[in-house]
Amino acid sequence: SQTIHQWPATLVQPVGSPLSLECTVEGTSNPNLYWYRQAAGRGLQLLFYSVGIGQISSEVPQNLSASRPQDRQFILSSKKLLLSDSGFYLCAARDSSNQPQHFGDGTRLSIL
Amino acid sequence: DAKTTQPTSMDCAEGRAANLPCNHSTISGNEYVYWYRQIHSQGPQYIIHGLKNNETNEMASLIITEDRKSSTLILPHATLRDTAVYYCIVSTYGGSQGNLIFGKGTKLSVKP
Repeated sequence: SQTIHQWPATLVQPVGSPLSLECTVEGTSNPNLYWYRQAAGRGLQLLFYSVGIGQISSEVPQNLSASRPQDRQFILSSKKLLLSDSGFYLCAARDSSNQPQHFGDGTRLSIL
Repeated sequence: DAKTTQPTSMDCAEGRAANLPCNHSTISGNEYVYWYRQIHSQGPQYIIHGLKNNETNEMASLIITEDRKSSTLILPHATLRDTAVYYCIVSTYGGSQGNLIFGKGTKLSVKP
């Protein structure tokens, strides 16, 4: 079964600093990959998804970008963080054989 | 917006069955019903999914009405560790996206 690794678990960054969150997946190949954000007290919002290397679709306009340099690696980035980028960031993967999405343990990002 | 309606919160006594309802009256023929739960500060955990027939696995049972407009997730013997927010989601199973739209879910509190 697939395992989704996210790091770091928590991160505190100043406004205007860059960001790089990494997600790697084990136990599957050619998965669909997803980045979600959960703001405090709110539901999950889909930010980006990818169906293959170098293929990124954005769901909402924002200060963030995503990249997929390898089949099982998904990176969430920002050049300059805003206060509104605070939240709980979750990576998810769905096997190409049509299994349900499975989530990592998330990164809690606080912007000061 | 989420295409499901769930009660905001529910209580259940430890050891009793927890029955969590979900309305999805606008579900289309190719959409599945998925259930996830999220324990505080963790990523969502997949529980079960189904299309038309009732489903059971080691975690729970899913009962879908014949008209598919509603469903019930059953945790047969709730424990304190089942305290979480439970999300009912409808989504297509296949396709290149398979995106999940999370609503606010039901906060289940299991009490001793």
